[in-house]
Amino acid sequence: RKEVEQDPGPFNVPEGATVAFNCTYSNSASQSFFWYRQDCRKEPKLLMSVYSSGNEDGRFTAQLNRASQYISLLIRDSKLSDSATYLCVVTNNDMRFGAGTRLTVKP
Amino acid sequence: EAGVTQFPSHSVIEKGQTVTLRCDPISGHDNLYWYRRVMGKEIKFLLHFVKESKQDESGMPNNRFLAERTGGTYSTLKVQPAELEDSGVYFCASSTRTGRNSPLHFGNGTRLTVT
Repeated sequence: RKEVEQDPGPFNVPEGATVAFNCTYSNSASQSFFWYRQDCRKEPKLLMSVYSSGNEDGRFTAQLNRASQYISLLIRDSKLSDSATYLCVVTNNDMRFGAGTRLTVKP
Repeated sequence: EAGVTQFPSHSVIEKGQTVTLRCDPISGHDNLYWYRRVMGKEIKFLLHFVKESKQDESGMPNNRFLAERTGGTYSTLKVQPAELEDSGVYFCASSTRTGRNSPLHFGNGTRLTVT
C-alpha cells in the first residue's frame, strides 16, 4: 500500500463549480499535513497546511480526520487559474507526496 | 530572501555519462531534501540532510546516486553512470525545521534527460 494515496483524477469542471479532493495516508504517526499545488513543468508550491480543526483560506477548505487517516481539499467557485495538479503531502520526519490529482477548470 | 536555486535547469546526457546536480537552499535552512518525479509518476523522496548529515537516505534508488552536502550549505546529487530510467525532474527543497508545520520551499527543479 502506498504511504499517501489520492483520487486518481483527472477532474474536469466548469468555472464556478465546487470540487473536492481526497487523500488517505497509511502512517498513523504522521504529524503534519499539507496541500501543494503544482503547475505544469513548475515546482510544487505550498497551497495550505491542514489542521485538525479544519481550516479555510478564501475559496479553499482543508480538513483532516486522524481517526480515518483522511485529508480533504474543497475548492469553491473554481477559477480557470485553479487548473493544476494538487498534491497531498504527509509528514512524519520526512515529507511524503501523493501522486497528485489533476484539475482542469474549463470556461 | 532568495529562494531555493537549482542548477542546471535542464541537462541532456547519454546513457553511461555522469551528471551532477546542484542545489542551494534558502540561507539558514538546515533541512535539505532531494525529490524526483519521473514521467507519469508521483514525486518520490530521495534523501534528507540536516545540515551536513544524511538524516534519511532511504529513497535513494541505488548506488549510482551520491548526494553530498559539505559544510551544510549547498548540496550536490551525482548520478554515475546515468541510465535511461533516471530521466525525470529532480527537485530540491529546504525547510527551517523538521516535521511538524515545516513546509518545504522548492527549487525550480532540474529536468534530466538520459538518451
